[in-house]
Parts: sequence; C-alpha cells; structure tokens
Amino acid sequence: DAKTTQPTSMDCAEGRAANLPCNHSTISGNEYVYWYRQIHSQGPQYIIHGLKNNETNEMASLIITEDRKSSTLILPHATLRDTAVYYCIVRVRGQGAQKLVFGQGTRLTINP
Amino acid sequence: NAGVMQNPRHLVRRRGQEARLRCSPMKGHSHVYWYRQLPEEGLKFMVYLQKENIIDESGMPKERFSAEFPKEGPSILRIQQVVRGDSAAYFCASSPEDSGANVLTFGAGSRLTVL
Repeated sequence: DAKTTQPTSMDCAEGRAANLPCNHSTISGNEYVYWYRQIHSQGPQYIIHGLKNNETNEMASLIITEDRKSSTLILPHATLRDTAVYYCIVRVRGQGAQKLVFGQGTRLTINP
Repeated sequence: NAGVMQNPRHLVRRRGQEARLRCSPMKGHSHVYWYRQLPEEGLKFMVYLQKENIIDESGMPKERFSAEFPKEGPSILRIQQVVRGDSAAYFCASSPEDSGANVLTFGAGSRLTVL
C-alpha cells in the first residue's frame, strides 16, 4: 500500500471549514483514498473514500488532485465535536486481505 | 441494528492472569479485525479473521496472544499470562462478506489494565 504523509497537528476555529491535507505521491492507479477519524478514547469512525473524483457525503468532502498525488478532507463547518485524530489511508479496494494500516494521522483541534 | 459490540469495556488483571476480550460483529458481517492501541500511540493491526479462519495474523505477538472467531458466538482475543505492557485499548472492527469498499465499523474498545 502506498505511504501517506499528514501534518502532525492542525487547529481550526469553530464554524470554519477545516481542510486536512494528505500526500500520497506513490499511489497507484487502483488504490483508493480513505479517511477515518478517532475521537478521544473512542473507536475509529469511517468518514469518506474516493478514487479520483471528488466525493461528498453528510460528514465531509474529499478533494483529490488530478494527478492523485494528494488529497484534502474538508469539514465544511467544523464543530467542537470534530476535534479528533484524522487518518488518511491508501488502499486497494476489494483486495482479499482488507486490513487497514493506520499511520500517525493529524490531530485536529477545533477551537471555540 | 446494533453496532460492533465489545465487552468488557474495562478489564483489570494482575500480572500472570488471563484476559479474554469479546467482540460481536455487526449483523451480517463475517469479517473481524482486532487492533491494539497503546497509551498515547497509534492503532496497530493485530489479526483479521473470517468465520472459523484466521486470514492474517501478521500483527499478533508470537507468544501469549491468540484469536478465534467460531462458527457461533463472538470473536475472542485471548491474552495469557498478561504483563504490564499489555495494558492498552483493544478495538474490534467488522465488515461484510462482500466489502470491496474496505469500510470497517469499529467497536468502542476494551480497555485492559494490568496491575
């Protein structure tokens, strides 16, 4: 699986859009980008995933660059409850062994 | 539809005792994964199981740790002769049989404290 690079930490004001970057310059053509988050002491939570088109769901938007070497997770109106560690994971979709390998992620703090 | 259920939520053991952690996957899910998170560290994959089969145990310590997912009942992560270094949060996740999307649903975790 391709390696991802994320900033260690970020801050964002409540009500603003939180933009979390992820670099995956060695991503291959059949690898998807997944985002999960872990709110303090809780189990990780799936957010969104995509291949090359931008994706949006009720939680967030995912913007993937045209060359697919990087992506950005956008939380459009961040709230205090969005404070969490966010993980960007690159993985082949549908591969037999479906384990996800978590890196260190980005610790996002939403400030009032 | 209940989510992934883990119990106990908190478990205290003395060194040398055994710890058994249980995980009931979401209804309709036949794949189970166990992860460990040491204090102030990231999530580390331990083992991936399907019903009655261990598919990937590349993250399991070679000794004292074992996992099973029987045909009936929950998945069990068993730690024998626990040591203080086993103190951690253990998370279970599940996914459906046909989960090409790689979307895992996680439980709330079991927190093991070894005295």
